[in-house]
Amino acid sequence: KAGVTQTPRYLIKTRGQQVTLSCSPISGHRSVSWYQQTPGQGLQFLFEYFSETQRNKGNFPGRFSGRQFSNSRSEMNVSTLELGDSALYLCASSLGGIGTEAFFGQGTRLTVV
Amino acid sequence: SQQGEEDPQALSIQEGENATMNCSYKTSINNLQWYRQNSGRGLVHLILIRSNEREKHSGRLRVTLDTSKKSSSLLITASRAADTASYFCATDELFGGAQKLVFGQGTRLTINP
Repeated sequence: KAGVTQTPRYLIKTRGQQVTLSCSPISGHRSVSWYQQTPGQGLQFLFEYFSETQRNKGNFPGRFSGRQFSNSRSEMNVSTLELGDSALYLCASSLGGIGTEAFFGQGTRLTVV
Repeated sequence: SQQGEEDPQALSIQEGENATMNCSYKTSINNLQWYRQNSGRGLVHLILIRSNEREKHSGRLRVTLDTSKKSSSLLITASRAADTASYFCATDELFGGAQKLVFGQGTRLTINP
């Protein structure tokens, strides 16, 4: 069974640009969650999608958005990038959603310069 | 911050010794999970303990949960070099009607050969 796949693995963007990250969940998993990991703030929950609907959302500004497609693949978009958006972005898929065993991808390392 | 706290932040022990990490959280939970992360990569699920359970075992791992103290501990017995990683506890918490997976700051465990 293939694991969670995130693309790209590494990304360098300039302040003010926008970026789209992709996540392919484990087959059969309908829940996809996104997290931001930084040395200062640790792991923080961005949002969760379940069956193409955003079901839960963390405390991030509207510049962070996402969507989920009918095949459960998910994308996360960050607009008007700031230096502070540099982080490891992780996505996780699960059968039951928040609070059930989650399977994480290897992450996308975003650097904003 | 709404994140839980983990103690200690860093732990260095000799191979073969036991390692104990503690986690505290702030709100009522349905369950608590422990994850491992190697060198800034994706997280790997280790164990899930429900709020009505007090102790759970999985191989060399033993997790305890004390909901009255809002705390949990992870014990790794007979440690190996491959156990070197960061360990995070995670709780499913409700904030303003939204469910989130809230991670602790993590314990960085180093196993010395």
